[in-house]
Amino acid sequence: GDSVTQMEGPVTLSEEAFLTINCTYTATGYPSLFWYVQYPGEGLQLLLKATKADDKGSNKGFEATYRKETTSFHLEKGSVQVSDSAVYFCALSGQAGTALIFGKGTTLSVSS
Amino acid sequence: GAVVSQHPSRVICKSGTSVKIECRSLDFQATTMFWYRQFPKKSLMLMATSNEGSKATYEQGVEKDKFLINHASLTLSTLTVTSAHPEDSSFYICSARVLGQGKGADTQYFGPGTRLTVL
Repeated sequence: GDSVTQMEGPVTLSEEAFLTINCTYTATGYPSLFWYVQYPGEGLQLLLKATKADDKGSNKGFEATYRKETTSFHLEKGSVQVSDSAVYFCALSGQAGTALIFGKGTTLSVSS
Repeated sequence: GAVVSQHPSRVICKSGTSVKIECRSLDFQATTMFWYRQFPKKSLMLMATSNEGSKATYEQGVEKDKFLINHASLTLSTLTVTSAHPEDSSFYICSARVLGQGKGADTQYFGPGTRLTVL
């Protein structure tokens, strides 16, 4: 079945460091790919998405490119801030309308 | 943007009682809502898919008689945890899928979650 694998954290960075959180997927067909962020004590917020190969999703300085050849959707940010500290989830939607399949989440901790 | 609300945000109850959690899409219609459960430091586990006007589809291992789901309208789904036990304590999160086509379709928007503690 479809699945998502993302690097396990925690990831600890200093402010202004470069961030990469790896995410790879297994799916039949052409899934949509998502990154969600969960701040402490809160629900999930959609960070960015991409619906087809080579699409780049971006938001708040974060980017991820849908790479079909490597089945990857790595999350990057050039300069992280303390306020980016959260748990990041990579997810896919195999078919329109179906539930999301989540990776296990990666905890990011940014210190000043 | 699409907003999903959940109520209550926190609830503490005694063992054996029932708790109802509401999930509402505030500014869009959602034919499908999903209920997830999140354990501490774990990913989200899909419990059930809720379709307006029909019975919910439960994932394997989720007791449908214990976790009652009702999707009464295009903007409201409820999850009732019946005869709650301490092991039901968890963070319950709903999501709603945007109805129709266009840029927002096939995107799920999540509620803020409900922290359930069963004593």
